[in-house]
Amino acid sequence: EDQVTQSPEALRLQEGESSSLNCSYTVSGLRGLFWYRQDPGKGPEFLFTLYSAGEEKEKERLKATLTKKESFLHITAPKPEDSATYLCAVQLIQGAQKLVFGQGTRLTINP
Amino acid sequence: NAGVTQTPKFQVLKTGQSMTLQCAQDMNHEYMSWYRQDPGMGLRLIHYSVGAGITDQGEVPNGYNVSRSTTEDFPLRLLSAAPSQTSVYFCASSPLPHNSGRVAYEQYFGPGTRLTVT
Repeated sequence: EDQVTQSPEALRLQEGESSSLNCSYTVSGLRGLFWYRQDPGKGPEFLFTLYSAGEEKEKERLKATLTKKESFLHITAPKPEDSATYLCAVQLIQGAQKLVFGQGTRLTINP
Repeated sequence: NAGVTQTPKFQVLKTGQSMTLQCAQDMNHEYMSWYRQDPGMGLRLIHYSVGAGITDQGEVPNGYNVSRSTTEDFPLRLLSAAPSQTSVYFCASSPLPHNSGRVAYEQYFGPGTRLTVT
């Protein structure tokens, strides 16, 4: 069965304290892995797509990396406005119409 | 571009009532989908459509109906609401991912509808 697991469930950091969020996946064939940001009361907002092991993408204080079994979202020197829930999702090679989402990591950055 | 729009934003139903959640997109996307989001469960796919007149079931389709008469609109119908359908519902759209292709298209999400069934 195709599965995506995110850890930790929740993470509280001080402003400027760097850390990483994890997304582990077990799928039959990976077409692409997505990271989304979701603010309270809003829909998910797209951040990155990763396709193959070794790939990295960056945007401001965020960097996403991919291995054959997991992806990391690294947050460098975070600010309070980075507080959100971060979602990971995979799209399969076969059955590409169905995304499989992880449960999300709720990130809080304290000033 | 308005992107993906959903109405209503909030809704309270009594058990057994029916209603339709509306979803529209103005990006000419072939693919549209409905998800529900429950605490600790992540986003789960209810139904999806790969074009006008074509729909299919996702992971949790029971109790929901969909139709797609135009490219722009993809309404979700609850025929007889149950308390287990209390959730936040999101509609999403993207270009169509073809099974023979390798490109992964990100989905664009609407703002969501918060539904409570009492």
